[in-house]
Amino acid sequence: AQSVSQHNHHVILSEAASLELGCNYSYGGTVNLFWYVQYPGQHLQLLLKYFSGDPLVKGIKGFEAEFIKSKFSFNLRKPSVQWSDTAEYFCAVIGNTDKLIFGTGTRLQVFP
Amino acid sequence: EAQVTQNPRYLITVTGKKLTVTCSQNMNHEYMSWYRQDPGLGLRQIYYSMNVEVTDKGDVPEGYKVSRKEKRNFPLILESPSPNQTSLYFCASSSSTGGGSPLHFGNGTRLTVT
Repeated sequence: AQSVSQHNHHVILSEAASLELGCNYSYGGTVNLFWYVQYPGQHLQLLLKYFSGDPLVKGIKGFEAEFIKSKFSFNLRKPSVQWSDTAEYFCAVIGNTDKLIFGTGTRLQVFP
Repeated sequence: EAQVTQNPRYLITVTGKKLTVTCSQNMNHEYMSWYRQDPGLGLRQIYYSMNVEVTDKGDVPEGYKVSRKEKRNFPLILESPSPNQTSLYFCASSSSTGGGSPLHFGNGTRLTVT
């Protein structure tokens, strides 16, 4: 069965620090990959997505993610975080089942 | 404005008292889905619908019902709520399945069952 793992459950950073959140998935075929962000008290919003092509995808607010097929990974990165990036981040994948599977989420806290 | 609207935002009820959480989207999306979000468990799919009159179980369908009589509406029904259904619920829609379109989420419904 398809699954998504986010190993960092809670990340605490100071402003201007660099961010990398891990995401690994278990399906070996063609996948579509997503990162969603949930700001405090709000609903999930799409941050970025990968369907095909350049494995380095850029999203909103300076975020990017790199698809590494050999590692079954889709890690999210940002060179310099801001206090406003405090949120919960969810990786998600769709494989052959046409079903979107979410990871358990990573809570990011950024302190000024 | 394109959106997914859920009501109510907050709901406190007692065990066994039937309730319905409404969900409506104005984007003419075919695909709609319900998720529950619990700490440490992420989002788990309850039910989804590929189109009108087509609904299927997700990962955690027990204790829930849904209907899709119209394209825009996808209510979630708890016939006899129990405390383990206390959670944050999200409705979502997209124009297609298969990952071709991202999900649009509603603002969530925080349900407490005592």
